[in-house]
Amino acid sequence: EAQVTQNPRYLITVTGKKLTVTCSQNMNHEYMSWYRQDPGLGLRQIYYSMNVEVTDKGDVPEGYKVSRKEKRNFPLILESPSPNQTSLYFCASSNGGGRGETQYFGPGTRLLVL
Amino acid sequence: GDSVTQMEGPVTLSEEAFLTINCTYTATGYPSLFWYVQYPGEGLQLLLKATKADDKGSNKGFEATYRKETTSFHLEKGSVQVSDSAVYFCALRDNAGNMLTFGGGTRLMVKP
Repeated sequence: EAQVTQNPRYLITVTGKKLTVTCSQNMNHEYMSWYRQDPGLGLRQIYYSMNVEVTDKGDVPEGYKVSRKEKRNFPLILESPSPNQTSLYFCASSNGGGRGETQYFGPGTRLLVL
Repeated sequence: GDSVTQMEGPVTLSEEAFLTINCTYTATGYPSLFWYVQYPGEGLQLLLKATKADDKGSNKGFEATYRKETTSFHLEKGSVQVSDSAVYFCALRDNAGNMLTFGGGTRLMVKP
């Protein structure tokens, strides 16, 4: 089954404790992206990757890191989480970065930073 | 930068009522436009899309027409069902395809 998976689905942590949210897709997609969803703000793009070893900032990259060492994986790293990073996070992928390409979303990771 | 504005919810309708959710955008060039739907506890799914002016996207009884002159992409359905209750997001993908910009989302509640 074609899908985007994220782990963990739920995470409670404390300020300053490094964490990684994994994202993996099995569709051989070149383009992957991370979003955060906050009430009233919709989804905002954090980082995206056009291909292996190619990443770029989205609208809200501060406090986040990403890497793309393999085509299927695109982990999101919070080196020193803060309470304002409490949010619902989605990973997505698409077959290339074309303007008409549909993005496929993972199920989401709900993060609470105390 | 690019932006998407959609009507705030929640929108509450009775079953079989007509639905319109307004969406307008600001972008340079010729973006593609999308409607995504999010059911409770799930990720986003593509509902429909349009890639050029005057294109009409349609799926599951929903329709939206890409209106470049009014920079709009309003979502419509002639007869909603309880199962349509969800949050709907309007989005655009920029000319280069790198960025996807979302509106704030509109919650739809359909009552039997």
